[in-house]
Amino acid sequence: DAKTTQPPSMDCAEGRAANLPCNHSTISGNEYVYWYRQIHSQGPQYIIHGLKNNETNEMASLIITEDRKSSTLILPHATLRDTAVYYCIGQDSNYQLIWGAGTKLIIKP
Amino acid sequence: DGGITQSPKYLFRKEGQNVTLSCEQNLNHDAMYWYRQDPGQGLRLIYYSQIVNDFQKGDIAEGYSVSREKKESFPLTVTSAQKNPTAFYLCASSPQSGQTGELFFGEGSRLTVL
Repeated sequence: DAKTTQPPSMDCAEGRAANLPCNHSTISGNEYVYWYRQIHSQGPQYIIHGLKNNETNEMASLIITEDRKSSTLILPHATLRDTAVYYCIGQDSNYQLIWGAGTKLIIKP
Repeated sequence: DGGITQSPKYLFRKEGQNVTLSCEQNLNHDAMYWYRQDPGQGLRLIYYSQIVNDFQKGDIAEGYSVSREKKESFPLTVTSAQKNPTAFYLCASSPQSGQTGELFFGEGSRLTVL
C-alpha cells in the first residue's frame, strides 16, 4: 500500500508560488498520486493526480520525481483563498484512497 | 446544479440511539463512498458502493450500516454499536469504481453524541 509523508504545516506569502512536498517511497509502479485540499469544515476538493509524468491543470502543477518516490504540488500564484489542508494521497491494494493528516497551508498577506 | 447533498449538516444524538445520514447525488455517478473524519486527521473509509444493490466494507465499518437501493442515494446509519460516533461524516461519489479519477464530496454532516 502506498503511504505518504507530508510536513504538518507551511506558510506562503500571497502572490508567491506555494510548493508542497510529499514523500511516497513505497508507491508501486501502477499507483497514482492524488492531491486534494480541504477548507475548514468543508468537503475535500480534488486538485490533480499523476502517475509518472508531470501534470498541470487550471488549479496547480504536479511534479513527480523520476524514481516516483516524491512529488511536489505547485500553486503558482497563491491567494488567501488557497489557505487549506492539502492532502497527498496514495492508494491501497483495492485502489481505495489512503488519506494522511495532510499539510496545513497558510497564505499570509 | 449538479452535486452531492448531505443532510442534516449538524445532528445531535443521545447515546444508544441510531441515526441515519442522508447522501443524494444527481451526477449520475456509479460509485459512492462514506468517510469519517476526526479532528486534525485525514479521512477514513467506512463503506463504499460501486453499483446499485452492492456495497463493500471499508477500513472502519464496525457500528455502521448502509444501503444502495437507488443509484442516486447512499444513506449511512450510525448504530448504537459504534463506540465513538462523534465525528464529521463525508459522502463522495465518482463516475466509475476503483477511485481512478476525481472524487466529488458533499459538504459533510457533523454528528455529536451527547
